[in-house]
Amino acid sequence: ETGVTQTPRHLVMGMTNKKSLKCEQHLGHNAMYWYKQSAKKPLELMFVYNFKEQTENNSVPSRFSPECPNSSHLFLHLHTLQPEDSALYLCASSQELAGGFYEQYFGPGTRLTVT
Amino acid sequence: GESVGLHLPTLSVQEGDNSIINCAYSNSASDYFIWYKQESGKGPQFIIDIRSNMDKRQGQRVTVLLNKTVKHLSLQIAATQPGDSAVYFCAENSKGTSYGKLTFGQGTILTVHP
Repeated sequence: ETGVTQTPRHLVMGMTNKKSLKCEQHLGHNAMYWYKQSAKKPLELMFVYNFKEQTENNSVPSRFSPECPNSSHLFLHLHTLQPEDSALYLCASSQELAGGFYEQYFGPGTRLTVT
Repeated sequence: GESVGLHLPTLSVQEGDNSIINCAYSNSASDYFIWYKQESGKGPQFIIDIRSNMDKRQGQRVTVLLNKTVKHLSLQIAATQPGDSAVYFCAENSKGTSYGKLTFGQGTILTVHP
């Protein structure tokens, strides 16, 4: 266990549905991230939050809407997704190390299938 | 554009052998590197990291080597075990980028045969 939990672990949704992914970290970190992992592609960073403030939006379509109510929780709200959005969605958290580096710890991911 | 990539997509070894997984990066400003292990159905697991002011760092059964001259990173696993079978990713970061924004390679599939 890395101290980062994600729910649900699996999700099947239609293109007209609205669903949310949840991430919680128990590590006392201040930064949280959403990544997308598709088959045969490197992990893609979607969003970065630091102390609840969004600091990075990596050109993610508006059908993905993140929310960070506090430093321990991160949500990804999904609506009107496309089949190509099917992927493993990973949450990570980190704390700044000496020297300005960040060691990221990942959750187990949510396997999303859009039908 | 800047990228981090792996030389070999798959690696098969016998139990007890040493494994070497390679990674090339192109961003000369990269100064922090991490190796992750991802088992089936799990998220990436931190293995070891190295900063650009070092050439080598050792952990438990793992060693990371960094060659900044040729922008090459490697992960050595000693006495490889079946439990080491997984996908291994290298990732890089430049100090000062947005809260540790990592760039990942595609991954190498390591299969350990008993």
